[in-house]
Amino acid sequence: NAGVTQTPKFQVLKTGQSMTLQCAQDMNHNSMYWYRQDPGMGLRLIYYSASEGTTDKGEVPNGYNVSRLNKREFSLRLESAAPSQTSVYFCASSETDRGNQPQHFGDGTRLSIL
Amino acid sequence: GEDVEQSLFLSVREGDSSVINCTYTDSSSTYLYWYKQEPGAGLQLLTYIFSNMDMKQDQRLTVLLNKKDKHLSLRIADTQTGDSAIYFCAESFMDSNYQLIWGAGTKLIIKP
Repeated sequence: NAGVTQTPKFQVLKTGQSMTLQCAQDMNHNSMYWYRQDPGMGLRLIYYSASEGTTDKGEVPNGYNVSRLNKREFSLRLESAAPSQTSVYFCASSETDRGNQPQHFGDGTRLSIL
Repeated sequence: GEDVEQSLFLSVREGDSSVINCTYTDSSSTYLYWYKQEPGAGLQLLTYIFSNMDMKQDQRLTVLLNKKDKHLSLRIADTQTGDSAIYFCAESFMDSNYQLIWGAGTKLIIKP
């Protein structure tokens, strides 16, 4: 019953360092998403992948890149971390991207940039 | 653009009913979701409703949708300490290519 698995759970980086957040789902879902959660702001979509082989920008893509490695895995990369990227990052997946299937979430990665 | 609004806090006594409200601006909503987030955890899907429905009930949870007023609510009957969490509403809209638009979350505080 793994669902959506994110690694690592916690990370501290220095400004300018790079890092890749990993996400994998075992539900055979087509669509995957990366969000960031900041206090009092709900979730904001960074990037999403409607299906294997495609990626699209969300609301706040600047400073991030993504790779849909295969149907199961969707990674998020910070090339040069900045303190403004301190946040909790959530990966989610859904059967389709048409809004008629619920998204299932991982437990999050808590990232601090010093 | 689309906007989804929630009150940031709600305090209720254990055993009472909790009603968490959500309002939205876009009339082209399709599906409306309620998620629960416990401290340090991810978001757990509680329930969802299609926009052509007015009500959905699932054990202690009742979702009401008033399309005319663009108002969505989640009622939790017999609130327990385990219901302490942040509750998010999220909605998919045709005009946003069906991407989910999220409220900021309502923190439910249970008083003994």
